[in-house]
Amino acid sequence: KQEVTQIPAALSVPEGENLVLNCSFTDSAIYNLQWFRQDPGKGLTSLLLIQSSQREQTSGRLNASLDKSSGRSTLYIAASQPGDSATYLCAVGGDYKLSFGAGTTVTVRA
Amino acid sequence: GAGVSQTPSNKVTEKGKYVELRCDPISGHTALYWYRQSLGQGPEFLIYFQGTGAADDSGLPNDRFFAVRPEGSVSTLKIQRTERGDSAVYLCASAFDRFQETQYFGPGTRLLVL
Repeated sequence: KQEVTQIPAALSVPEGENLVLNCSFTDSAIYNLQWFRQDPGKGLTSLLLIQSSQREQTSGRLNASLDKSSGRSTLYIAASQPGDSATYLCAVGGDYKLSFGAGTTVTVRA
Repeated sequence: GAGVSQTPSNKVTEKGKYVELRCDPISGHTALYWYRQSLGQGPEFLIYFQGTGAADDSGLPNDRFFAVRPEGSVSTLKIQRTERGDSAVYLCASAFDRFQETQYFGPGTRLLVL
């Protein structure tokens, strides 16, 4: 069974600082890895999808890397803003279903 | 275009009652998933539909849980004899097909069993 761990569980930074969120998984036989954002009381918004053959994916201030052999992914958010405050979830894709970590709750202080 | 919608957004029920949760996927998406998210946890897989059939229901916790997708579009998750431990957010997601393209999530149904 795929186990996904996200460290740290919570993170508080001043505005403008870069964010680094870590995700590790136990089974390297994955199809892809997806990062989601979840705001309180809301559903999940997909941020980035990295296919298993890719090493990284970028979208605006967001960059996600994938190292399948070591079972790790990192989400970088550059120049954080208060609007980036949310919970970020890492999800590892098997053949069709996602296995999620518990998330990292980020607070960006103005 | 419309995203994934779920109804009701909130449901409060009493222990032992029957509930139905509805999911309307994005038009044209053949893959549909149900997940359950408990407080402070990531979503956990419940069931996956490809078209009308349940391709994998291994995540359903017990036989009180059942889901259908009779016409390959709307899906209903049914919970019989609800228990307090069933309280959670039930999330539905859809994707274009099974080959792990981005899954698009609905806002969820928050179920509270008293």
